[in-house]
Amino acid sequence: KAGVTQTPRYLIKTRGQQVTLSCSPISGHRSVSWYQQTPGQGLQFLFEYFSETQRNKGNFPGRFSGRQFSNSRSEMNVSTLELGDSALYLCASSLDRSADTQYFGPGTRLTVL
Amino acid sequence: GESVGLHLPTLSVQEGDNSIINCAYSNSASDYFIWYKQESGKGPQFIIDIRSNMDKRQGQRVTVLLNKTVKHLSLQIAATQPGDSAVYFCAENTNNDMRFGAGTRLTVKP
Repeated sequence: KAGVTQTPRYLIKTRGQQVTLSCSPISGHRSVSWYQQTPGQGLQFLFEYFSETQRNKGNFPGRFSGRQFSNSRSEMNVSTLELGDSALYLCASSLDRSADTQYFGPGTRLTVL
Repeated sequence: GESVGLHLPTLSVQEGDNSIINCAYSNSASDYFIWYKQESGKGPQFIIDIRSNMDKRQGQRVTVLLNKTVKHLSLQIAATQPGDSAVYFCAENTNNDMRFGAGTRLTVKP
């Protein structure tokens, strides 16, 4: 089976812009979770999607949003980018619940200038 | 996830030695644990998992030990190789919520 894929791998944006990141889960996995990883904060949970519905949400401002499509692919969007949004954004897929074993993609490295 | 400081705990071992990486968890109700390995510039990679009804589980060159009494989890890597250099972190499942530890940076000296 192919693993979790994320596009793009690298992205450079400027403050105030918006960005959309994409994640394709492992075939058959229905749960997709998004995380922000920074050296200072470690792995921070953003949200989880299951069957096109947001099932769980972390403590991030409303500028961070996401969605899931009927084929379980997911996108996350960050609007009005800030310098502090620079991070590695990781997507993880699991079979049915985020509490199942999560398999991570390679991440999207976002740099905000 | 947990908020952690900038500096990760580090472990430096000689190639060929055994490595032991530790993780303390906080919730006695946690029933499922996973160890991940994250190499520089890559996403976390699943290594091994263990459920709370077990004390020990072995994989290829890796062993996970679970001590529920003191809420402690460890990852043992046998005959550590340069390719094992990475950040290792544990994850615990509590009430359908997966929480991740800060991680330990393992450096293998040739």
